[in-house]
Amino acid sequence: GAGVSQSPSNKVTEKGKDVELRCDPISGHTALYWYRQSLGQGLEFLIYFQGNSAPDKSGLPSDRFSAERTGGSVSTLTIQRTQQEDSAVYLCASSLGRWGHGYTFGSGTRLTVV
Amino acid sequence: AQKVTQAQTEISVVEKEDVTLDCVYETRDTTYYLFWYKQPPSGELVFLIRRNSFDEQNEISGRYSWNFQKSTSSFNFTITASQVVDSAVYFCALSEDDRDDKIIFGKGTRLHILP
Repeated sequence: GAGVSQSPSNKVTEKGKDVELRCDPISGHTALYWYRQSLGQGLEFLIYFQGNSAPDKSGLPSDRFSAERTGGSVSTLTIQRTQQEDSAVYLCASSLGRWGHGYTFGSGTRLTVV
Repeated sequence: AQKVTQAQTEISVVEKEDVTLDCVYETRDTTYYLFWYKQPPSGELVFLIRRNSFDEQNEISGRYSWNFQKSTSSFNFTITASQVVDSAVYFCALSEDDRDDKIIFGKGTRLHILP
């Protein structure tokens, strides 16, 4: 597609429920990243996928968080047993993985845990 | 470890004034990459610039300019003759890998341009 697409754009869920956030990267981009932006904070790295390599999961805050990337394209970030502190904007980005291109970000999913 | 500090959390200037956004970084690598991103009220992050650690030449793009100084570990961003459309949150970021993975972002500076 023309840009990075994320869905849903907004999600309100009850504490303790599981949620799935979807990211559709730009076609041909081999690298995909998930970040979290809490209110008034910077972007917190969560996980990174590059081609067929094992993902870098070093930023995932707890084992309630997991992510998959199927077929080298679409990615799903899953948060199990959501907590109120999980409320944030979850941003996905993709890149060609080569010098000079930077990331292209999606518009994010605003998650609110009530 | 990587770290990016943007000491200015919020700045307000009147339209047409010049404004400089500060960025200080920490890294143990000799090869690294610095970025600036803009996040307008719509929320989508926009890539502005990337510089590598071997190129300290200042860069100018229209009303935007960047001053990279390794001696002070700074990569400051100046907007000349600011406009209301420049109002946004600006993030400075650092990566130690030439494939752009795991970019570490600062907390951002919220810039208000007052008409």
